[in-house]
Amino acid sequence: GQSLEQPSEVTAVEGAIVQINCTYQTSGFYGLSWYQQHDGGAPTFLSYNALDGLEETGRFSSFLSRSDSYGYLLLQELQMKDSASYFCAVRGTNNAGNMLTFGGGTRLMVKP
Amino acid sequence: DVKVTQSSRYLVKRTGEKVFLECVQDMDHENMFWYRQDPGLGLRLIYFSYDVKMKEKGDIPEGYSVSREKKERFSLILESASTNQTSMYLCASSSGGNEKLFFGSGTQLSVL
Repeated sequence: GQSLEQPSEVTAVEGAIVQINCTYQTSGFYGLSWYQQHDGGAPTFLSYNALDGLEETGRFSSFLSRSDSYGYLLLQELQMKDSASYFCAVRGTNNAGNMLTFGGGTRLMVKP
Repeated sequence: DVKVTQSSRYLVKRTGEKVFLECVQDMDHENMFWYRQDPGLGLRLIYFSYDVKMKEKGDIPEGYSVSREKKERFSLILESASTNQTSMYLCASSSGGNEKLFFGSGTQLSVL
């Protein structure tokens, strides 16, 4: 099966940098994704890492280490609008085939 | 913009009722998914479909069935609703390798 661990809650101040970690266990691995979900909203795709290393998209970056079964989402120059839940998801092989399994989510609170 | 539309935002049903949750996507995606979201548990896959009339069980299919008669529409059916099926239900679609899912805004179902 597949499982993911990420912190349940993180608090940071506006303008700061925050890192949200994700460790995973999976039988077969294709990639690690990150999604953002504001309260009452739909999850929206942020990034996908299939290979080791850092992927940067504006203020957000995502890192993957396949040998450590570990990844993180890095948010820079935090803004109030970044307050949301962030989910890591692993694309691997499970009973349902080649599908995404999500972590429990990290609630990020950005304070002024 | 990709649009995934779920028919109801809020739904209240009684125990034992048959419940239909409808989802429509407008991007001609082959793959469609139903997840349920519960606090602390992240998103859990109920069923998915990779083609018309095809369906595969996800991680928690018990108590649910699905229907995909047309490519753009994927329905989730609760044959006899129970209180433990009170949850947020999210529909998603994707094409190709499922690296990027597009989600609907969700249906908050309460079973009394």
